[in-house]
Amino acid sequence: TQLLEQSPQFLSIQEGENLTVYCNSSSVFSSLQWYRQEPGEGPVLLVTVVTGGEVKKLKRLTFQFGDARKDSSLHITAAQPGDTGLYLCAGGRGNAGNMLTFGGGTRLMVKP
Amino acid sequence: GAVVSQHPSWVICKSGTSVKIECRSLDFQATTMFWYRQFPKQSLMLMATSNEGSKATYEQGVEKDKFLINHASLTLSTLTVTSAHPEDSSFYICSAGTGVSEAFFGQGTRLTVV
Repeated sequence: TQLLEQSPQFLSIQEGENLTVYCNSSSVFSSLQWYRQEPGEGPVLLVTVVTGGEVKKLKRLTFQFGDARKDSSLHITAAQPGDTGLYLCAGGRGNAGNMLTFGGGTRLMVKP
Repeated sequence: GAVVSQHPSWVICKSGTSVKIECRSLDFQATTMFWYRQFPKQSLMLMATSNEGSKATYEQGVEKDKFLINHASLTLSTLTVTSAHPEDSSFYICSAGTGVSEAFFGQGTRLTVV
């Protein structure tokens, strides 16, 4: 079973601070996706990384896929209250198409 | 991005009854759909993989006779929770794939069994 360890589980910060969420595994994934989920809604895809060492930026969010494709990180610069939510990383199993293994999630709260 | 619609958004049912949840891909054909369950303040746990025209593949610990999955067409998969009990109350989410690495999720169904 491929497991994804996500840390931290909870994070409460002040507006303007920076933060990093980590996603680690002992297994190699064909792709790594980051989602954000609001209460009572399905996850919304933020980014997909597929190449070891790949870095993608989405405004204030920077995503990195580890060289060995076993880990990933999400860095948010100058967090805003609108960034509050549940962030989920998910590893894709290439041979099974879009089957995803989810990390435990990071619940972020950004206080104004 | 691709749109996946899930219905209903929420449902309350009596213990012992069955509930059907639909997952539709609105603007693409999905040969594979996935069903997840999410308990409060927890992450998503894969329940089963649904392939069009064939039997679903269930994850370990998921009762196939209790969670019936049908994938009759390339745009529709259904999950039926049979003889529901309060412990089945959860947030059920489907996803559908368009390619190798991306999956798009429905908005989820909140099931409450009373």
